[in-house]
Amino acid sequence: GEDVEQSLFLSVREGDSSVINCTYTDSSSTYLYWYKQEPGAGLQLLTYIFSNMDMKQDQRLTVLLNKKDKHLSLRIADTQTGDSAIYFCAETLISGGSYIPTFGRGTSLIVHP
Amino acid sequence: NAGVTQTPKFRVLKTGQSMTLLCAQDMNHEYMYWYRQDPGMGLRLIHYSVGEGTTAKGEVPDGYNVSRLKKQNFLLGLESAAPSQTSVYFCASSYIPGELFFGEGSRLTVL
Repeated sequence: GEDVEQSLFLSVREGDSSVINCTYTDSSSTYLYWYKQEPGAGLQLLTYIFSNMDMKQDQRLTVLLNKKDKHLSLRIADTQTGDSAIYFCAETLISGGSYIPTFGRGTSLIVHP
Repeated sequence: NAGVTQTPKFRVLKTGQSMTLLCAQDMNHEYMYWYRQDPGMGLRLIHYSVGEGTTAKGEVPDGYNVSRLKKQNFLLGLESAAPSQTSVYFCASSYIPGELFFGEGSRLTVL
């Protein structure tokens, strides 16, 4: 998805916080999403945020949205080895009257002891 | 509740052969999607459907066809496979656009 940009890799130490960043292009996107993909599996919805919100917190996850800069971030507190996965940012674009989920290329999070 | 089921999970084809990937969902979702995932490319939308009997092209539709004859099934066909179609294919469904439920993927190798 060229419309959604993410850095490809992030390496953190266990117990530290991880911050995964994303920029998107469509200011009219109503919802923005974070998905997690573990090795050999499909994507799972991790969390989402409405475009009229600045922040959403869900246990160890914090999503920040800066609409002016079209910037979305996912913060994982107290990162664990089980958090190692690929994280995808996604927005929903409107094309031909249909809603099309569009994904970034994914950020591989590597958590080392 | 099985969610989204893809078959087959693995397949090896020779160039020029045809095959069909089947996606089945038991959540009564209107929207269904086929994506392919390649290293460094993320997920790219091949075709999608907004309801039974409807299909539309996504970002990379060439070389693929789809059908949605029943609401719960979304088929992806390759009429004449090419090595460039070697990929992992994911099917997804949703009730609300954006909140997708994914299958486990189908790994296709074209020799």
